[in-house]
Amino acid sequence: TQLLEQSPQFLSIQEGENLTVYCNSSSVFSSLQWYRQEPGEGPVLLVTVVTGGEVKKLKRLTFQFGDARKDSSLHITAAQPGDTGLYLCAGEYNFNKFYFGSGTKLNVKP
Amino acid sequence: ETGVTQTPRHLVMGMTNKKSLKCEQHLGHNAMYWYKQSAKKPLELMFVYSLEERVENNSVPSRFSPECPNSSHLFLHLHTLQPEDSALYLCASSQDHVSGGELFFGEGSRLTVL
Repeated sequence: TQLLEQSPQFLSIQEGENLTVYCNSSSVFSSLQWYRQEPGEGPVLLVTVVTGGEVKKLKRLTFQFGDARKDSSLHITAAQPGDTGLYLCAGEYNFNKFYFGSGTKLNVKP
Repeated sequence: ETGVTQTPRHLVMGMTNKKSLKCEQHLGHNAMYWYKQSAKKPLELMFVYSLEERVENNSVPSRFSPECPNSSHLFLHLHTLQPEDSALYLCASSQDHVSGGELFFGEGSRLTVL
């Protein structure tokens, strides 16, 4: 099992604030994904990063893959209540093997 | 609608029952997965099927038995489960690739073992 550590585990912020979630591992991944999961539903893919140092932006969300392809961060600017959910990172190790972090539970208060 | 459908959505069973979870994907993918999601634990990879062959069995107890009759269907057969097996069981699919894979999940089957 490839261990990914996410931090923080819980985050409760006011609407309009910025936040960063981290995903770290000692393993090198061929790619890394970020997912968002809402109660009663399965995780939904937000982004895939493949190249070390890669930065991707999705509206107010910015994703970064570490140079060594062992870590990643998700930054949300001006958080909205609709951003509330469980954010999961997943590292692809070998072929078709996706291992998940423990998740960050985000609550954005209006 | 993610293109991955799981049934049943909720299942309550006794420890001596035999039941099955079903997953169907309509995305034309050739890899399918079972994950277990328990409270306060990361999603645990249970099984991976690629081109209908099992390529990963992550030390899962034999009371869980997967079956992949074709690339669109995946089953998880359950037999003599324990209360600690209560969890959300998620099915996912993906397309074989070189890099940059993406998982498409169903909504999960919530299992309670009494």
